[in-house]
Amino acid sequence: DSGVTQTPKHLITATGQRVTLRCSPRSGDLSVYWYQQSLDQGLQFLIQYYNGEERAKGNILERFSAQQFPDLHSELNLSSLELGDSALYFCASSEGQGYDQPQHFGDGTRLSIL
Amino acid sequence: GENVEQHPSTLSVQEGDSAVIKCTYSDSASNYFPWYKQELGKRPQLIIDIRSNVGEKKDQRIAVTLNKTAKHFSLHITETQPEDSAVYFCAASKGQAGTALIFGKGTTLSVSS
Repeated sequence: DSGVTQTPKHLITATGQRVTLRCSPRSGDLSVYWYQQSLDQGLQFLIQYYNGEERAKGNILERFSAQQFPDLHSELNLSSLELGDSALYFCASSEGQGYDQPQHFGDGTRLSIL
Repeated sequence: GENVEQHPSTLSVQEGDSAVIKCTYSDSASNYFPWYKQELGKRPQLIIDIRSNVGEKKDQRIAVTLNKTAKHFSLHITETQPEDSAVYFCAASKGQAGTALIFGKGTTLSVSS
């Protein structure tokens, strides 16, 4: 158990819909990172938050947004869903804001778009 | 931006043999290089990492070497066991706020008994 909690574990929805994925970081970790993992793209960094503020942005689509709340949990919102958004979405957390610290991954949310 | 290439994409070894996975990176400013193991259907787990001020690091059967001049780093697994079968990802970052951890495409290691 990494201490990073992601809900839900599975999500099945239709094209055009909107979903919210939730992540609670390990106790004491201030950074949250979101990654998308699909079969042909590997692990793609989406976005990072540190103590409530956005710190880095990767290949995140405009239809996707995220935020980190005062209690440090984070939510990733995906809207106008397309078939290609089907993937595993991982959240990871680390103690600080630098990328030279170990990141601990949650178990992921598997999103299936029908 | 940073680009990380990982080879081979698949690797099959016999139990007890050694396995080596190699990664190259493009940004000479990168200074942190973790390796993750992902078993089927599970989350990536950090197995070892190395920083640019160190050339080699070992943890039991696992070792990582770094060649900053050539901009490549490698994962070495000795005395492989069937439970080592998984996908291994290398990654690189500059270790600065505002920069990302960039992953390689992964290597599927199969250890047969």
